[in-house]
Amino acid sequence: GQNIDQPTEMTATEGAIVQINCTYQTSGFNGLFWYQQHAGEAPTFLSYNVLDGLEEKGRFSSFLSRSKGYSYLLLKELQMKDSASYLCAVKDSNYQLIWGAGTKLIIKP
Amino acid sequence: IAGITQAPTSQILAAGRRMTLRCTQDMRHNAMYWYRQDLGLGLRLIHYSNTAGTTGKGEVPDGFSVSRANTDDFPLTLASAVPSQTSVYFCASSEQGAADTQYFGPGTRLTVL
Repeated sequence: GQNIDQPTEMTATEGAIVQINCTYQTSGFNGLFWYQQHAGEAPTFLSYNVLDGLEEKGRFSSFLSRSKGYSYLLLKELQMKDSASYLCAVKDSNYQLIWGAGTKLIIKP
Repeated sequence: IAGITQAPTSQILAAGRRMTLRCTQDMRHNAMYWYRQDLGLGLRLIHYSNTAGTTGKGEVPDGFSVSRANTDDFPLTLASAVPSQTSVYFCASSEQGAADTQYFGPGTRLTVL
């Protein structure tokens, strides 16, 4: 079967750095997405990786290792507004998105 | 309007009633999707449409139907609601299908009693 694993919840301090991991087992791979979802709101796109390596976009970076079935989202200089759930999703061989359950990130002052 | 809109924002529905959730996008995206999101579970695809006039079943289609008469609208119908359909429903769209970034509507919170 297809599976996306992420930690359920993480806590970090304002101004610090946090890494949210995602491991996947899917039938084929055509890219990995990270989305941010604030409580009660819709998911919004953060990043897309299809090749191995690190993609940097401001305070957020996303890393992919296809051989390990592994990705992480790195958030730097954490702000209170970064408190949200972070969703990992993988495009499988049929180009359908398979979603993880999401990681709830709590930022403390 | 800009982006994707959904209606209603929330609804409480008696079991056995018929309900249509509306979704409209103005980005001229080819593909549209309906997801449900339940606590502790990831987004689960109900139905999708890669282009106007075509639809397909996702992971959890039972009890739901869709139509895609034109590019902009993608309504989701519950023929006879059951309590297990209590959930938050998100509509999304993308330019070329699941290969592209999906953009989400604000969601509809549905409670079936």
